[in-house]
Amino acid sequence: ETGVTQTPRHLVMGMTNKKSLKCEQHLGHNAMYWYKQSAKKPLELMFVYNFKEQTENNSVPSRFSPECPNSSHLFLHLHTLQPEDSALYLCASSHQILSTGELFFGEGSRLTVL
Amino acid sequence: QKEVEQDPGPLSVPEGAIVSLNCTYSNSAFQYFMWYRQYSRKGPELLMYTYSSGNKEDGRFTAQVDKSSKYISLFIRDSQPSDSATYLCAIKNAGGTSYGKLTFGQGTILTVHP
Repeated sequence: ETGVTQTPRHLVMGMTNKKSLKCEQHLGHNAMYWYKQSAKKPLELMFVYNFKEQTENNSVPSRFSPECPNSSHLFLHLHTLQPEDSALYLCASSHQILSTGELFFGEGSRLTVL
Repeated sequence: QKEVEQDPGPLSVPEGAIVSLNCTYSNSAFQYFMWYRQYSRKGPELLMYTYSSGNKEDGRFTAQVDKSSKYISLFIRDSQPSDSATYLCAIKNAGGTSYGKLTFGQGTILTVHP
C-alpha cells in the first residue's frame, strides 16, 4: 500500500466513449501527477498539479482533460480516445518542497481503447 | 538522442548472481539520480537515490554514478527471485523545488530464476 489509490484498475472503452480515471492520495502531499506508461517506452509525464494548480502540461492532446479539485484528488477525463492511447496510466504524488524527487505512485489504471 | 538510454533487456540470471543494470544520459545538468523498481501490476517505487558521483550502498543494492561519463549503474548482489521486476533509472535537474520532473529510462526487465 503506497498511499496512492487509483480507480478503476482496468478500463476498456470505445473511441466515442467518455470515461474518467480517479486518483486519491493519503500522504498529505501537495503535488500530484499523471504519467503514461506504454510498452517499451519510458514513463511520459502528462500533467503536474501543485496545490491544485496545474503547473505542467506536457503537450498532451486535448482528449485528455485533468482535474484537481483539491490536493488529495486528481482525475483524468477521457473522451474520443484513439487506440494508441491504450496504456497504463499512473498517478503519483510528492511533497512540494522535497528536492530528492521521490514520487509515490499508485498501481495504475490499465486502459484499452478499442 | 534520447536524454536517458537504458537497455530494456530482458535480463535473466540465476539466483545468487550479481546483476548490473545501467543507464547513460546526455544532459550535464542532471544532478539527482534514482532507481525505481516496478513489480508486475504495480506502480514504480523508489529503490535508491543519490546526487553525487561515487557509490551508495543499501543492503544488497549499490548505486554508482559517474558524472564524467554520464553513466549510472545499479548492482544487485546475491540476487533473489523476489528481485524479479522492471528497474527504471530516473534523473532530475538540480535546484529549485521539486515538481517531480524526472526523466525516466525505458526500464530493464529482470528475472531471477531459482
